[in-house]
Amino acid sequence: DTGVSQNPRHKITKRGQNVTFRCDPISEHNRLYWYRQTLGQGPEFLTYFQNEAQLEKSRLLSDRFSAERPKGSFSTLEIQRTEQGDSAMYLCASSLGLADHGELFFGEGSRLTVL
Amino acid sequence: DAKTTQPTSMDCAEGRAANLPCNHSTISGNEYVYWYRQIHSQGPQYIIHGLKNNETNEMASLIITEDRKSSTLILPHATLRDTAVYYCIVRSAYSGAGSYQLTFGKGTKLSVIP
Repeated sequence: DTGVSQNPRHKITKRGQNVTFRCDPISEHNRLYWYRQTLGQGPEFLTYFQNEAQLEKSRLLSDRFSAERPKGSFSTLEIQRTEQGDSAMYLCASSLGLADHGELFFGEGSRLTVL
Repeated sequence: DAKTTQPTSMDCAEGRAANLPCNHSTISGNEYVYWYRQIHSQGPQYIIHGLKNNETNEMASLIITEDRKSSTLILPHATLRDTAVYYCIVRSAYSGAGSYQLTFGKGTKLSVIP
């Protein structure tokens, strides 16, 4: 069990550029989640996948954001035309879905700074 | 629309028990109480969860009041490595729209003092 892996750990970009984050969940976990966390706040839910299906999206996920999980393994979160307000830590989590959803395992996060 | 209320911060002496309270007065019968913590610059870490009965694991104990409107997370012998933000979360036990997400509040910042 190598844990949830996220890359890159840090990304600095200029406003208007596109960025992509990758998440590799724990291998047998069928559920994958993306959260966003700004300074001083708790994480906020963005989206949820069960296998390759994206089952839930938050209103926070504007049309500039897109997430995929091809083949139900790793996932990517892309932000197009970044804005300064997108600066945050983007957290990925995975779980083995059982009756009560199970414990979520979080990665270390990808920190985005938009200049 | 956070469903829980926690103190903003708490201090605890190293080696003593840390008791972190959480109010969840609107909790429904099918909602669990979860606790996560987040050490600085790391992702959140699951600690424990419960429905009605008190629970204990290697990390902590969870005491839920009989009316389920509040709970207390107990770290029996706090160490400096327990310094973190602790989040109390209520979450539906059932699958379905809106049930997959954890709604984090601002949590309680616990400082363990040497």
